[in-house]
Amino acid sequence: DQQVKQNSPSLSVQEGRISILNCDYTNSMFDYFLWYKKYPAEGPTFLISISSIKDKNEDGRFTVFLNKSAKHLSLHIVPSQPGDSAVYFCAASGDTNAGKSTFGDGTTLTVKP
Amino acid sequence: DTAVSQTPKYLVTQMGNDKSIKCEQNLGHDTMYWYKQDSKKFLKIMFSYNNKELIINETVPNRFSPKSPDKAHLNLHINSLELGDSAVYFCASSKVVTSTHQYFGAGTRLSVL
Repeated sequence: DQQVKQNSPSLSVQEGRISILNCDYTNSMFDYFLWYKKYPAEGPTFLISISSIKDKNEDGRFTVFLNKSAKHLSLHIVPSQPGDSAVYFCAASGDTNAGKSTFGDGTTLTVKP
Repeated sequence: DTAVSQTPKYLVTQMGNDKSIKCEQNLGHDTMYWYKQDSKKFLKIMFSYNNKELIINETVPNRFSPKSPDKAHLNLHINSLELGDSAVYFCASSKVVTSTHQYFGAGTRLSVL
């Protein structure tokens, strides 16, 4: 029973365009959400997070949107750059304790020059 | 200078063998974790230690035994390896147990033949 799902295994966009990565969750007790980015042969690195009291959090080119009623979050990257090509994992937890996060299975983003 | 380092990066071994994976963090963090990334790419927590004390122990076979000699190290020992243990194992750390996100090592790819 996967409580966090990323239904698109891969996404390809052109450099300069917007990348939108999606994540759905089933547990209504989740109230803290994170995105990690992973390059090949490296571990995931934290990218951006959002708590359930907000519906948007922005950090430079990265914006995370949270729709609690739909149990859906998305990561927008604008403009996309070739260096953004990586696997993106979303994660969710019932509190801010990192060890209680449930991870999705990742979406591979390819940004073409 | 790698913040969270795991050794070895690759481990190929026969069924029934015993093996260890080492993890060290030089970030001065109190909390360390072991994750398993299964064939479906989900990252699932196995163990968490806070200041050398076990705080999270998910449903993991007791063939897996973590050991934390000090708060900078968390090693994973696996007895009687089975085919199903083949996966990528990630070590991670966070500043404190209530930290919102983690720092990951590059992973150890374990192949059991």
